[in-house]
Amino acid sequence: GENVEQHPSTLSVQEGDSAVIKCTYSDSASNYFPWYKQELGKGPQLIIDIRSNVGEKKDQRIAVTLNKTAKHFSLHITETQPEDSAVYFCAARYNFNKFYFGSGTKLNVKP
Amino acid sequence: NAGVTQTPKFQVLKTGQSMTLQCAQDMNHEYMSWYRQDPGMGLRLIHYSVGAGITDQGEVPNGYNVSRSTTEDFPLRLLSAAPSQTSVYFCASRPDRGENTEAFFGQGTRLTVV
Repeated sequence: GENVEQHPSTLSVQEGDSAVIKCTYSDSASNYFPWYKQELGKGPQLIIDIRSNVGEKKDQRIAVTLNKTAKHFSLHITETQPEDSAVYFCAARYNFNKFYFGSGTKLNVKP
Repeated sequence: NAGVTQTPKFQVLKTGQSMTLQCAQDMNHEYMSWYRQDPGMGLRLIHYSVGAGITDQGEVPNGYNVSRSTTEDFPLRLLSAAPSQTSVYFCASRPDRGENTEAFFGQGTRLTVV
């Protein structure tokens, strides 16, 4: 199977600063890497994803980078806002049917 | 559009009791799955289904049964609940086995086994 490690477990930043969350995966067969945001009491919501044949993808203030050689991928949030405060999960898809999730990062954006 | 609906939202069981967690989606998605979320461990796949009549095991299937008689519904059954099954359970769905399909998650069921 796959093993996904995520760091840090908690991250506190000032409003307007950038936040970076990093994940590593173990199996080179994994080919799709989504990121989810989970607000308190709700289910995870997909915020951005990247395929293994792409190195970087951006969507407004959010970007994801992937280094296949090193088997790691990162989430970058710029100009953070208080509403970005949530738990963020990375995941790796191992074959079409199985997703393996990281342990989550609790992001706190201080006003 | 209701999306993915899970019931109940909260449940307390005694050890040894059985129950079924319900999951329904109204998006005609082929793929449905069940995850459990424990503190510090992210989400772990319990069972999944790629279509009506087809189910398979995920990462942590022991103690859980599933069936998929219709496209819309994917119930998760606990036959004899144990305290180790105390967790938050999420159901998810996506259209097909395509490479970049989004997973839609339900709101979760918080289960406590005492």
